[in-house]
Amino acid sequence: QQQVKQSPQSLIVQKGGISIINCAYENTAFDYFPWYQQFPGKGPALLIAIRPDVSEKKEGRFTISFNKSAKQFSLHIMDSQPGDSATYFCAASRRGNEKLTFGTGTRLTIIP
Amino acid sequence: GAGVSQTPSNKVTEKGKYVELRCDPISGHTALYWYRQSLGQGPEFLIYFQGTGAADDSGLPNDRFFAVRPEGSVSTLKIQRTERGDSAVYLCASSLILGGQGTEAFFGQGTRLTVV
Repeated sequence: QQQVKQSPQSLIVQKGGISIINCAYENTAFDYFPWYQQFPGKGPALLIAIRPDVSEKKEGRFTISFNKSAKQFSLHIMDSQPGDSATYFCAASRRGNEKLTFGTGTRLTIIP
Repeated sequence: GAGVSQTPSNKVTEKGKYVELRCDPISGHTALYWYRQSLGQGPEFLIYFQGTGAADDSGLPNDRFFAVRPEGSVSTLKIQRTERGDSAVYLCASSLILGGQGTEAFFGQGTRLTVV
């Protein structure tokens, strides 16, 4: 059972544009929703995370939008740069059991 | 160390052999996790340690997989009778647990296991 569904699988965005990646979850017990960035040959690195008591969180060019009723959350990368080209994973976990359930990933390519 | 350290970075082994993968977490992190990442996929949870004990081992695929963390720091993932399907990148992560709640999980660079 895939508990976190992520789309799109790949995304090409022009430099300066907005990159948007979406995730949907099934388990209503999840209460922590991080986004990870992974470069080839490296482990995932936390980008930004949100808890369901807020609907939006912004850190620099990165914003998470969270819709609890729809069980969906998304990552927005503003003013996308070539250095943002990487694979992005959404994930979810719940208090008391900290294991992360990951989405399948989105390969983002920023073109000049 | 500054981050989560995993050794070896690459391991090639023959089908049927036994392998051990090591993880050195960030000093002071009580929680340690093992994940497996197949090509083009997201990491899949294997096992979670809180201190020395396995708090959740529900992700271990079968009894050929075993992990230990005897002193609550370094952990070893052990795979017996390796199969070609075990080929993947094995990731380790660690985090603090504060007030019963996990904080940011920091990942190592992984061990790429290839079974030939």
